[in-house]
Amino acid sequence: DVKVTQSSRYLVKRTGEKVFLECVQDMDHENMFWYRQDPGLGLRLIYFSYDVKMKEKGDIPEGYSVSREKKERFSLILESASTNQTSMYLCASSLKRDEAFFGQGTRLTVV
Amino acid sequence: GEDVEQSLFLSVREGDSSVINCTYTDSSSTYLYWYKQEPGAGLQLLTYIFSNMDMKQDQRLTVLLNKKDKHLSLRIADTQTGDSAIYFCAEISNSGYALNFGKGTSLLVTP
Repeated sequence: DVKVTQSSRYLVKRTGEKVFLECVQDMDHENMFWYRQDPGLGLRLIYFSYDVKMKEKGDIPEGYSVSREKKERFSLILESASTNQTSMYLCASSLKRDEAFFGQGTRLTVV
Repeated sequence: GEDVEQSLFLSVREGDSSVINCTYTDSSSTYLYWYKQEPGAGLQLLTYIFSNMDMKQDQRLTVLLNKKDKHLSLRIADTQTGDSAIYFCAEISNSGYALNFGKGTSLLVTP
């Protein structure tokens, strides 16, 4: 079974902190994604990566950056967390243009 | 990105059939997916259909695709209380890497 693991289920951070959300997949997938999920807005794509060290902006990249130094790991970085970044963050991976497998999500609260 | 639209809520009685509808705008969509999200969890792939198919059945699930009208539906037969969840429709185009999601339909199954 494909496993996508997000390092934290719940995080509470202060405004202005630098925040790292980590995601690891164990199936040698080429593509990895970060989405955020908000009530009434569904899932919105923040960034994705189709190869090591490659990244592409999604629909809402502002305030975020990403890092993919190894194929299995995709990190989402909030350089200076703000309260409007309080959300559920979902990581996913896929092989080529195929179904995506999701992690359990990280619920981030910025206070 | 292209739009994927779903109704936000659906309530059915246990044992009845549920039909969740979805429309999309990208005529180059190659794969269309249905994901299920239970409370506090990530997304789980339920089923998918290729754009050259018009129907797919998988146990209690039936997916219908009308490519001309860009309309996708998910029918759940004999709906159970455990089917209560949010259901997301998603599509991926020939040129895309990332899934494009609808806002999700919250299904409530009452006894």
